[in-house]
Amino acid sequence: GAGVSQTPSNKVTEKGKYVELRCDPISGHTALYWYRQSLGQGPEFLIYFQGTGAADDSGLPNDRFFAVRPEGSVSTLKIQRTERGDSAVYLCASSLFAGQSYEQYFGPGTRLTVT
Amino acid sequence: AQSVTQPDIHITVSEGASLELRCNYSYGATPYLFWYVQSPGQGLQLLLKYFSGDTLVQGIKGFEAEFKRSQSSFNLRKPSVHWSDAAEYFCAVGAKTDSWGKLQFGAGTQVVVTP
Repeated sequence: GAGVSQTPSNKVTEKGKYVELRCDPISGHTALYWYRQSLGQGPEFLIYFQGTGAADDSGLPNDRFFAVRPEGSVSTLKIQRTERGDSAVYLCASSLFAGQSYEQYFGPGTRLTVT
Repeated sequence: AQSVTQPDIHITVSEGASLELRCNYSYGATPYLFWYVQSPGQGLQLLLKYFSGDTLVQGIKGFEAEFKRSQSSFNLRKPSVHWSDAAEYFCAVGAKTDSWGKLQFGAGTQVVVTP
């Protein structure tokens, strides 16, 4: 079956612009996670959704970052007034349910470059 | 503070040789432990996980890992490396107090396989 997909695969934007990154989880998965992976680092947790609600957004670096999952499936990560430090690979993962027992399946990521 | 350390940034190994990747963690209590692999253009894939019980865990692709409580380590091993094992490997931990599955990743170890 289809895995987690993310679009676009690459995004180049200018400093100060607004960007949206999309994640399509595996069908039927109720939990969805966003991570950010900077060069030479491991993924860093950003936000987690259970259904439509953001159950934990403690990893969002500041209020320029926002994510939604309006119908409990597709999620969009939104970044306002982008800065060069936002350049990274943004990873999305989904799992059947929330909890450590449920494997997180990762998408290929969106590489964001802010010039 | 909670932390996950992968001491080796880069490892080069000959095809057919054994491989061991190190992972150390610092947590208040024994966390859940995971190893993921990331190949170029691919999403992170779960190799294996440890929750409790037998401290030697078998995973996919011929990998195994051993949990050593006294050393706060969870090292990954493979007896004979194949060229297709060239990738980046991440150790991750999840706190048992987190009910939903938040993961903290190490910085990763890049594995290069030579003929």
